[in-house]
Amino acid sequence: ETGVTQSPTHLIKTRGQQVTLRCSSQSGHNTVSWYQQALGQGPQFIFQYYREEENGRGNFPPRFSGLQFPNYSSELNVNALELDDSALYLCASSLGGILNYEQYFGPGTRLTVT
Amino acid sequence: AQTVTQSQPEMSVQEAETVTLSCTYDTSENNYYLFWYKQPPSRQMILVIRQEAYKQQNATENRFSVNFQKAAKSFSLKISDSQLGDTAMYFCAFIKAAGNKLTFGGGTRVLVKP
Repeated sequence: ETGVTQSPTHLIKTRGQQVTLRCSSQSGHNTVSWYQQALGQGPQFIFQYYREEENGRGNFPPRFSGLQFPNYSSELNVNALELDDSALYLCASSLGGILNYEQYFGPGTRLTVT
Repeated sequence: AQTVTQSQPEMSVQEAETVTLSCTYDTSENNYYLFWYKQPPSRQMILVIRQEAYKQQNATENRFSVNFQKAAKSFSLKISDSQLGDTAMYFCAFIKAAGNKLTFGGGTRVLVKP
């Protein structure tokens, strides 16, 4: 059974740039959730994708967008980067529906915006 | 909206001793799940233990056990026989049944001393 993977491990961007982060879900999972974890804080829910459709969104501006592909992998895109976007970005996969509570996390992508 | 509060920013414990982490939450939901996640310096968020709100019996996983008090909306984690590998950030989290997002507390840093 393959676990959740994320790429890249870390990256550095300049304010105003755009970034794409990638996540491959655990084998058999059709749902991917994205979380932002600022330094010293707990993760905050960004949004979730279920079978290629957005299935809920947290309190994040529209410059945070996502995609889910037919193989259930997912991308998180952030436009017009701001310094406050510096954080660890975690994705989690799950079976969705009534089994959505069991979310398995990837190792995260550390984004630094300068 | 649900909130999760962890009132202890940091705890230290001697190897082989016991430590208890506190968590309180606020929700109007009746059916939900509570979790404790461990996040070591490697950043991977690892599920430690899960409690279903409809179960009165407290969950146990080897050296980890919880004290779930539904009426008081309290969910503490006890780590017995602490090991050096238990050193990590610990997050309490909540999700409503069939919900899509985990709501996390701010975390408690646990340091196990030899």
